[in-house]
Amino acid sequence: EVQLVESGGGLVQPGGSLRLSCAASGFTFSNYGMAWVRQAPGKGLEWVSTTSASGGNTYYPDSVKGRFVISRDNSENTLYLQMNSLRAEDTAVYYCAKYEFDSSPLEIWGHGTMVTVSS
Amino acid sequence: DIQMTQSPSSLSASVGDRVTITCRASQGIRNHLGWFQQKPGKAPKRLISAASSLQSGVPSRFSGSGSGTEFALTISSLQPEDFATYYCLQHNSYPLTFGGGTKVEIK
Repeated sequence: EVQLVESGGGLVQPGGSLRLSCAASGFTFSNYGMAWVRQAPGKGLEWVSTTSASGGNTYYPDSVKGRFVISRDNSENTLYLQMNSLRAEDTAVYYCAKYEFDSSPLEIWGHGTMVTVSS
Repeated sequence: DIQMTQSPSSLSASVGDRVTITCRASQGIRNHLGWFQQKPGKAPKRLISAASSLQSGVPSRFSGSGSGTEFALTISSLQPEDFATYYCLQHNSYPLTFGGGTKVEIK
C-alpha cells in the first residue's frame, strides 16, 4: 500500500525557517515525481512545488520561489521542503503528493502537516 | 499563469440529485485536468485524471468531460458520502493551478 507521511510542521516566527519531510513507502520512490501542496485555514488548495523523479528538475510558483526549496533523498525514500523567510501567509497544512507519471500529478496524498507562522 | 474558474462555489442538493460542477481554463490545456474531492479535516483524493479517466476504486456515478478550456465533473446520483468540496487542477503547464473549489452541501 502506498503511504506518504509528512512531519516537521509546527509554530515558527516570521522570518524563520522550517524543514518538512515526507516519508514514502509502498512504491519505488525513485521512479516518481513528487509535489507539495498547501491549504491555508478555511481556504482552497495551492500548489507549492514539484520535483522530478531524479530531483534534477524542480518547479515553484512565484509565491514561494527563492524562499522554498524542494529536494529528495531517493536512498531514504524521503521528500523534503526547506522553507525560509517564512511569512504569516505561509500558514497552512502542507501535503506531499505522488505523481502517477510525469504528466499525471497528485495521484496519492499524505495526511498533511500544519505550519503556523506567528510571533 | 493559467487561471481556473470553477463554478458554482457552492451548491445545495439532495441525495439522488444529478450534480454538475464546471471549470474553465483561461487558455487551452488539452485534457490535462484532474478532479479532487476533499472532506473536512482530510487530505484531498483524486477522482479523475486526464479530464475523464476515473481513478481505480472511485464509484462510476462520478464522471468527467471536456477538453481545451471547458470541463465538467458530474455526479449522476448524489450519495450521502459525496457531500464534500471538489477542486479542479490544471497540469498543462507550470505553475499548476487549482480552481477555487465547489462545496456540495445537503439540501
